Amino acid sequence: AQSVTQLGSHVSVSEGALVLLRCNYSSSVPPYLFWYVQYPNQGLQLLLKYTTGATLVKGINGFEAEFKKSETSFHLTKPSAHMSDAAEYFCAVGTGGNQFYFGTGTSLTVIP
Amino acid sequence: DAGVIQSPRHEVTEMGQEVTLRCKPISGHNSLFWYRQTMMRGLELLIYFNNNVPIDDSGMPEDRFSAKMPNASFSTLKIQPSEPRDSAVYFCASSLDRTTYEQYFGPGTRLTVT
Repeated sequence: AQSVTQLGSHVSVSEGALVLLRCNYSSSVPPYLFWYVQYPNQGLQLLLKYTTGATLVKGINGFEAEFKKSETSFHLTKPSAHMSDAAEYFCAVGTGGNQFYFGTGTSLTVIP
Repeated sequence: DAGVIQSPRHEVTEMGQEVTLRCKPISGHNSLFWYRQTMMRGLELLIYFNNNVPIDDSGMPEDRFSAKMPNASFSTLKIQPSEPRDSAVYFCASSLDRTTYEQYFGPGTRLTVT
């Protein structure tokens, strides 16, 4: 079975500190991996995606994620948190054959 | 493109009433999804259409829920009769393909059933 796990439903960081949001997946086939962000009272929007090729993927707003097949991980990072980064973040995995799963989400709080 | 359009943005109704939520996907997208989001249960996939055909409705909670996609540019999610526990934000999303392309989400409909 395929699935995606986000470790930590709530993460708090100080403004200017490193942001690290964890995502692990299980898949028997090469996955397509996505990170979405949801700001309050809005829909989800794509931050970045990995399909094939370079394993380090850069997205919008200074975020990036690295696909590590050996660790079955796709963690999201940003070197320096900004107040505007406070939001809910969702990892998702697609594996072909109509299989697509969202994680349960991680709420990021940025402390001034 | 205008993105995924949902209407209404807010709906307040009384228990027992029929509720219809509407969605216009992005032109050219083949897949359409209905999600429900609550604090307790998070983001849940209700139903997924591909080329206007329902492919997976295993997430539809009860027979009170039904969804249609009469053409490539319009879909509805209907709840009849509505109950207070149906209160949630309902999102519609569309994509070129379910598994290999990103989904584009609408702004959501916030449903409150009193």
